Amino acid sequence: GENVEQHPSTLSVQEGDSAVIKCTYSDSASNYFPWYKQELGKGPQLIIDIRSNVGEKKDQRIAVTLNKTAKHFSLHITETQPEDSAVYFCAAPLVSSYGKLTFGQGTILTVHP
Amino acid sequence: NAGVTQTPKFQVLKTGQSMTLQCAQDMNHEYMSWYRQDPGMGLRLIHYSVGAGITDQGEVPNGYNVSRSTTEDFPLRLLSAAPSQTSVYFCASSPSGQGEQYFGPGTRLTVT
Repeated sequence: GENVEQHPSTLSVQEGDSAVIKCTYSDSASNYFPWYKQELGKGPQLIIDIRSNVGEKKDQRIAVTLNKTAKHFSLHITETQPEDSAVYFCAAPLVSSYGKLTFGQGTILTVHP
Repeated sequence: NAGVTQTPKFQVLKTGQSMTLQCAQDMNHEYMSWYRQDPGMGLRLIHYSVGAGITDQGEVPNGYNVSRSTTEDFPLRLLSAAPSQTSVYFCASSPSGQGEQYFGPGTRLTVT
């Protein structure tokens, strides 16, 4: 099946700094890569996703980059704010099985004021 | 729209008891999934369904049963609860297998 590795497991930054979280995947046929944010006591919520026909996608302060050759994709958050503090998950689909998602282990991001 | 709803929010069971976690969505999504979330292990897929009457196993299906008699509902049954099933359970729905998944608020289950 698909194997997704996510690093780092925890990340602490000062407000205004940038944060980068990286994921690697194993299924070379994967073509959809979402990132989810989970706030305390809530379910995960999609914040950005990218499909394999593009290398980068931006949405205000967040961006995702994809390197299909190296089979890794990254989440970039610029000008971090305390409300960015949450757990972030990457995911990749197992294309051969209805595209069901395999999630990374999660990154706890803490933004200090 | 209420989105994805889950009941109960919290549950404590004794070892060997059975129960059903409820999940419902009002977005007419075909694809529904159950995940469990444990510290340091992310979200692991238990069972999923690609439409009414169709279910399949995920990564960690043992000890759980599902059924999908309607598009809206996807209950998860614990047949004989074990302490290893202590976890937070999330239900999710999606219009397709590859696209945004909408998660419910979760059920925190403790098995003693």
